[in-house]
Amino acid sequence: GESVGLHLPTLSVQEGDNSIINCAYSNSASDYFIWYKQESGKGPQFIIDIRSNMDKRQGQRVTVLLNKTVKHLSLQIAATQPGDSAVYFCAEKGGPSRSGGSNYKLTFGKGTLLTVNP
Amino acid sequence: DTGVSQNPRHKITKRGQNVTFRCDPISEHNRLYWYRQTLGQGPEFLTYFQNEAQLEKSRLLSDRFSAERPKGSFSTLEIQRTEQGDSAMYLCASSLLGSYEQYFGPGTRLTVT
Repeated sequence: GESVGLHLPTLSVQEGDNSIINCAYSNSASDYFIWYKQESGKGPQFIIDIRSNMDKRQGQRVTVLLNKTVKHLSLQIAATQPGDSAVYFCAEKGGPSRSGGSNYKLTFGKGTLLTVNP
Repeated sequence: DTGVSQNPRHKITKRGQNVTFRCDPISEHNRLYWYRQTLGQGPEFLTYFQNEAQLEKSRLLSDRFSAERPKGSFSTLEIQRTEQGDSAMYLCASSLLGSYEQYFGPGTRLTVT
């Protein structure tokens, strides 16, 4: 069935280091992926997204890589800062439904807790 | 603030009571989504609206749950006869027609005692 999972539940890095958060997905029909950051007591905050016709997308200090061959997604954060400490979720949007209509719901993984040490 | 807003932010209720949550999406967003998140887990999809039409409901949405978006703007999520297992964060998100980017509100944390 459809699932999105993360390789590592926790990641601890030193301030200034680069962070890499990994995510595996199983639905080969998924055509859109998105990374969210969630701080304690807050809703998920959009970071970056990527469509399945791309393998890399860059934002400000963040890069998402998509490897469709092995169904793997990663989020790279450059020069990690204490303010980056949070839980990071990857989410996937499935492809068209069986009826042919668009499928807009997101399926989330469990999340990775990133801790940045000063 | 022009983001998604949710009220109340916290709700404590006794088992068996009914509760209602409200979500106000970003003003020009046509789609509105409800998710539920329990501690240590990612959000789980419950239902979504396009304008006032409810287009999809998860099997998680039992018959005690009902959602409405009567005028295609704000939405309400009602839980009848609450159970302790309903304790969770209820998140609302919205998106523009034609976009897959969903923007989340701060959530309503429900505690059923």
